[in-house]
Amino acid sequence: DIQMTQSPSSLSASVGDRVTITCRASQGINNYLAWYQQKPGKVPKLLIYAASTLQSGVPSRFSGSGSGTDFTLTIGSLQPEDVATYYCQKYSSVPPEWTFGQGTKVEIK
Amino acid sequence: QVQLVESGGGVVQPGRSLRLSCAASGFTFTTYAMHWVRQAPGKGLEWVAVVSYDGNNKYYADSVKGRFTISRDNSKSTVYLQMNSLRAEDTAIYYCAKELVVVVPAFDYWGQGTLVTVSS
Repeated sequence: DIQMTQSPSSLSASVGDRVTITCRASQGINNYLAWYQQKPGKVPKLLIYAASTLQSGVPSRFSGSGSGTDFTLTIGSLQPEDVATYYCQKYSSVPPEWTFGQGTKVEIK
Repeated sequence: QVQLVESGGGVVQPGRSLRLSCAASGFTFTTYAMHWVRQAPGKGLEWVAVVSYDGNNKYYADSVKGRFTISRDNSKSTVYLQMNSLRAEDTAIYYCAKELVVVVPAFDYWGQGTLVTVSS
């Protein structure tokens, strides 16, 4: 099984800071990665799919990059409404299977 | 607009069964694969199962294989999750999610979830 390691588990940053969250796969997964945001008490929301494609309606301060084993979600300028837990999700095609990372809790300093 | 409404959650004893439903609207249900994802209290997300657009293909997480069955009724725009032999570790909010049809499938719409509590 391909293992996903998401880091850090939590972070605290100031409004306007650039924030980076990393997801690492134990083997190459091409670009089979998505990112989700889950605000406290809310339903998860898709931010990025295929590693770097911004989902419709998602603010442009969010971006994704990477391919193979190392992937990054970047918040270009942290806003108060970005307080949430962020999850990466990998997709395996044979057999079809989806696996979430452990999550990164983002707070405002 | 897309709506996914789950129902059927509740408190159930270990070893018993429960069936969840997810009623979909606002999109062409017959075109999309549908998923169940769960989240234990205070924990992360766990993918549970997927059913293809036509109901012919189904896949499961190892943690539920042999105990849970996903199905769909396209005439009712509803997806189901039959959960048998429930365990305490199945306690979670269960979300249904619509699959985004792209090369790398992801989940673009989620329901509000239904809470399943397995306890004696």
